Amino acid sequence: DTAVSQTPKYLVTQMGNDKSIKCEQNLGHDTMYWYKQDSKKFLKIMFSYNNKELIINETVPNRFSPKSPDKAHLNLHINSLELGDSAVYFCASSQGWGNTEAFFGQGTRLTVV
Amino acid sequence: AQSVSQHNHHVILSEAASLELGCNYSYGGTVNLFWYVQYPGQHLQLLLKYFSGDPLVKGIKGFEAEFIKSKFSFNLRKPSVQWSDTAEYFCAVNGDNAGNMLTFGGGTRLMVKP
Repeated sequence: DTAVSQTPKYLVTQMGNDKSIKCEQNLGHDTMYWYKQDSKKFLKIMFSYNNKELIINETVPNRFSPKSPDKAHLNLHINSLELGDSAVYFCASSQGWGNTEAFFGQGTRLTVV
Repeated sequence: AQSVSQHNHHVILSEAASLELGCNYSYGGTVNLFWYVQYPGQHLQLLLKYFSGDPLVKGIKGFEAEFIKSKFSFNLRKPSVQWSDTAEYFCAVNGDNAGNMLTFGGGTRLMVKP
């Protein structure tokens, strides 16, 4: 049983397209996140979301938007994809807000051509 | 704002050698500290974490890390590495005003030669 699962694992698309990456967690956690890992392996937080609050990293373009249909899902929508969006996107979840660890999904490798 | 730096970008060791990976953070308040490992093609897995208490924490697979508050450091150690430890290692912190959002260091790529 995968605790945090993302689909698809690989996504290749053309510039200008709109795409979504889905994330589901079966851990019963109340907080979910999206991280971006660039080609140099540098990881950066994009969003943090629980049922009360969305925190957005101010460096994230507004073409990126998280959508949460319920507590177990946090999907990432990307509009007007650009070459620089190519990266590996990791979803994560945790319980509570404070002293707790995050569990990561297996990542989605997005390639924009 | 918090930041994390990992000094070693690439480390190459032979099996049975001892390992120490450096991690320094900058943040003025209380922090939680983590080391994650990413095996080739896989997701991030937690190796160990420090929230409070004993500054020497032990994690999975024989790894340990020591929190030295005066040095703002959280170095990862393993007395004897194995070929299967080849992976990317990330130090991360979250400050007491950042919820659970992690700030990661740039990662250290460890290659263990058999």
